[in-house]
Amino acid sequence: GNSVTQMEGPVTLSEEAFLTINCTYTATGYPSLFWYVQYPGEGLQLLLKATKADDKGSNKGFEATYRKETTSFHLEKGSVQVSDSAVYFCARASQGGKLIFGHGTELSVKP
Amino acid sequence: EAGVVQSPRYKIIEKKQPVAFWCNPISGHNTLYWYLQNLGQGPELLIRYENEEAVDDSQLPKDRFSAERLKGVDSTLKIQPAELGDSAVYLCASSSGYEQYFGPGTRLTVT
Repeated sequence: GNSVTQMEGPVTLSEEAFLTINCTYTATGYPSLFWYVQYPGEGLQLLLKATKADDKGSNKGFEATYRKETTSFHLEKGSVQVSDSAVYFCARASQGGKLIFGHGTELSVKP
Repeated sequence: EAGVVQSPRYKIIEKKQPVAFWCNPISGHNTLYWYLQNLGQGPELLIRYENEEAVDDSQLPKDRFSAERLKGVDSTLKIQPAELGDSAVYLCASSSGYEQYFGPGTRLTVT
């Protein structure tokens, strides 16, 4: 089964609202964790990553902290923009560099 | 720097027909991945190459799918014959370390 679980979408927010997309994982040890973003019609882009416990990844105003106690890597942004509308994927590294992805969470930001 | 290139971007075929997808990874990236992304799901690994060697093809349905990376650069993924359930997006990614860079994908529709 899938060892990365994301909150169900779609998530609809107004511009400047606070965003949280929950992600939890199951794994042996402490794998690297990632958030990827997929804009409409485009490929996946790495948004941020954390390679060890308590690390905080950040990029473009988005942040996520690697919490080993809760096996979580929740994505947050303080003030979303219409241009943030996309599908967000949480992922963890697995054997050989393979990535295991969550199902994705669609975010729609309205002006 | 050019990203991962995939072609075609879209393909519509009838069931039982063959189809092939092509990927050109980022220059210098030895590791190449093919992922399958079903609608509303996260990508799932089909095969991973280290140079020209397929080091993880455990998720590749070998009765109808095949892949090659003859010179350790470009790669092709083939389906023969295609089935209705193969309709999905086929993603190629490459890496030279931890971070994977994804192409835009090929959207396959089997009718």
